[in-house]
Amino acid sequence: AQKITQTQPGMFVQEKEAVTLDCTYDTSDQSYGLFWYKQPSSGEMIFLIYQGSYDEQNATEGRYSLNFQKARKSANLVISASQLGDSAMYFCAMSWSGGSYIPTFGRGTSLIVHP
Amino acid sequence: EAGVVQSPRYKIIEKKQPVAFWCNPISGHNTLYWYRQNLGQGPELLIRYENEEAVDDSQLPKDRFSAERLKGVDSTLKIQPAELGDSAVYLCASRSLVNEQFFGPGTRLTVL
Repeated sequence: AQKITQTQPGMFVQEKEAVTLDCTYDTSDQSYGLFWYKQPSSGEMIFLIYQGSYDEQNATEGRYSLNFQKARKSANLVISASQLGDSAMYFCAMSWSGGSYIPTFGRGTSLIVHP
Repeated sequence: EAGVVQSPRYKIIEKKQPVAFWCNPISGHNTLYWYRQNLGQGPELLIRYENEEAVDDSQLPKDRFSAERLKGVDSTLKIQPAELGDSAVYLCASRSLVNEQFFGPGTRLTVL
């Protein structure tokens, strides 16, 4: 069965430093997509970055990059130069062809950026 | 371009009362999802629409939950009657052609 695992319930990082949020997944499908979302205390889910299973290059979006290691089935999110506004819950999600591309979410990681 | 719109943002009701949530997806997005997010967890799918057709509703508690997307655009999710355990955030999302999924701000439901 497809599964998304986020093992870090909470992370702390100093402002301006980089932080890596872990995500591992399990699927037997060859075609799948990996997503990261940010959910601030206001509750909205903000799309950050997407990586397709066939993409050879790691996805990057501004200060966000996805460290995609296909053989290890990991899709860690790297946030560079953390800002106070980055404090939020971060969810990793996966969708796959056999599941009609319906995203399944991990339990999330709470990130706190302190000055 | 407007994002996914949901209303209301907050709703407080007493148990056994009915409640309805509305969602308008991003224009042109044929796929619409309703999720429920319990406190401290990730969203869990309730139902998925492709245009006006509900193609995956296996997680929808059909005894009390119903949904519709009559014209294949906006959608309504209803709970009747609500129970204490229904307290959660109800998220609507729509999907673009390149498989990016965009969420609305959610409706935070509290059942007393």
